[in-house]
Amino acid sequence: GQQVMQIPQYQHVQEGEDFTTYCNSSTTLSNIQWYKQRPGGHPVFLIQLVKSGEVKKQKRLTFQFGEAKKNSSLHITATQTTDVGTYFCAGPGGSEKLVFGKGTKLTVNP
Amino acid sequence: EAGVVQSPRYKIIEKKQPVAFWCNPISGHNTLYWYRQNLGQGPELLIRYENEEAVDDSQLPKDRFSAERLKGVDSTLKIQPAELGDSAVYLCASSLGGTGGYGYTFGSGTRLTVV
Repeated sequence: GQQVMQIPQYQHVQEGEDFTTYCNSSTTLSNIQWYKQRPGGHPVFLIQLVKSGEVKKQKRLTFQFGEAKKNSSLHITATQTTDVGTYFCAGPGGSEKLVFGKGTKLTVNP
Repeated sequence: EAGVVQSPRYKIIEKKQPVAFWCNPISGHNTLYWYRQNLGQGPELLIRYENEEAVDDSQLPKDRFSAERLKGVDSTLKIQPAELGDSAVYLCASSLGGTGGYGYTFGSGTRLTVV
């Protein structure tokens, strides 16, 4: 079935450094969603990308959807301790269900 | 708006015992999902409902798991009997469905520990 692969699995940064996580699919995706899960919390929807080459920004977060719609990235500029958590990408797995990647766990050293 | 409400938050049971989880989705969300999340992994779909109809239960281990969504609102997920490998967080989510870009709204989950 549909799978989305995320790298890296873990990322540790100093506060103020940038962070990027990547999501790759072997097949073309109609859309991709990103979620953030704080430690001990539940996934929270961040954004959905639909168009080829789409770039969306939310404050310090920049989301990109590849031209071939097979990959996506999330970039955080100047990380803060509030950015700590696991970031998941999720793509359609057929019949309107989402298939989640394994996530990238971000830790930030103050 | 209360969001997606799940109960209980935590449950510890002995293996072979039954357990049930409850979910109340956001009002107006016709689509309801049950996901299971193992430690260090992403959520994995167990079952999806459109109103009261289970439209995708291909990942649900039907020998021990069952779910229902009577009247197309609240839903319960049951495990009987529970096994050690069922220890995980069970997440309920709801959505408006379609392609509106609204994403899923997850509940706080039920952390199940089977001992």
